[in-house]
Amino acid sequence: GENVEQHPSTLSVQEGDSAVIKCTYSDSASNYFPWYKQELGKRPQLIIDIRSNVGEKKDQRIAVTLNKTAKHFSLHITETQPEDSAVYFCAATETSGGYQKVTFGTGTKLQVIP
Amino acid sequence: NAGVTQTPKFRILKIGQSMTLQCTQDMNHNYMYWYRQDPGMGLKLIYYSVGAGITDKGEVPNGYNVSRSTTEDFPLRLELAAPSQTSVYFCASSYSNLAGVYNEQFFGPGTRLTVL
Repeated sequence: GENVEQHPSTLSVQEGDSAVIKCTYSDSASNYFPWYKQELGKRPQLIIDIRSNVGEKKDQRIAVTLNKTAKHFSLHITETQPEDSAVYFCAATETSGGYQKVTFGTGTKLQVIP
Repeated sequence: NAGVTQTPKFRILKIGQSMTLQCTQDMNHNYMYWYRQDPGMGLKLIYYSVGAGITDKGEVPNGYNVSRSTTEDFPLRLELAAPSQTSVYFCASSYSNLAGVYNEQFFGPGTRLTVL
């Protein structure tokens, strides 16, 4: 089955700096890679996603890059703001037995220091 | 659209009691999932369903049961509650078409369960 590793587990940055979170996956059949943000006490919510036919995707201050050969993908947040403080989860989606299976990373707690 | 709704929001159980966590989605999604999230930890998949009448085990299914009689509902049953089942439970749903194009999961607000 798929294995997703996420690093770092915690990350502290000064407001205005950039933050980068990295994930690696094991199954080359994975083809959809979403990123979720979970604020304290809230539900996870999608912030950006990328499919395997695309190498990079950007949405304002957030970008995701995918390297299929190396089997890793990264989340980049520029000009960080205090409201970016949250736990971020990456995920990899594969087809197994004809069905979609989603494997989550273990999460990165991002703290943006004002 | 209400999205994914869960009841109850909070519950305290005694060891050995049973309960059902309810989950409903109104987006006509075919996939539904149950996760548990222990304090400060990630999401662990308990069970998932690819459509009405079809369910399968996830990473941590022991002590739980599910059913999927309709597209909208995916209840999670806890039998003989144990302190190790103290956690926050999230239900989620997503849509995947016949061509195998997958999309984001939408999560419910969660149920905070304590077993004493």
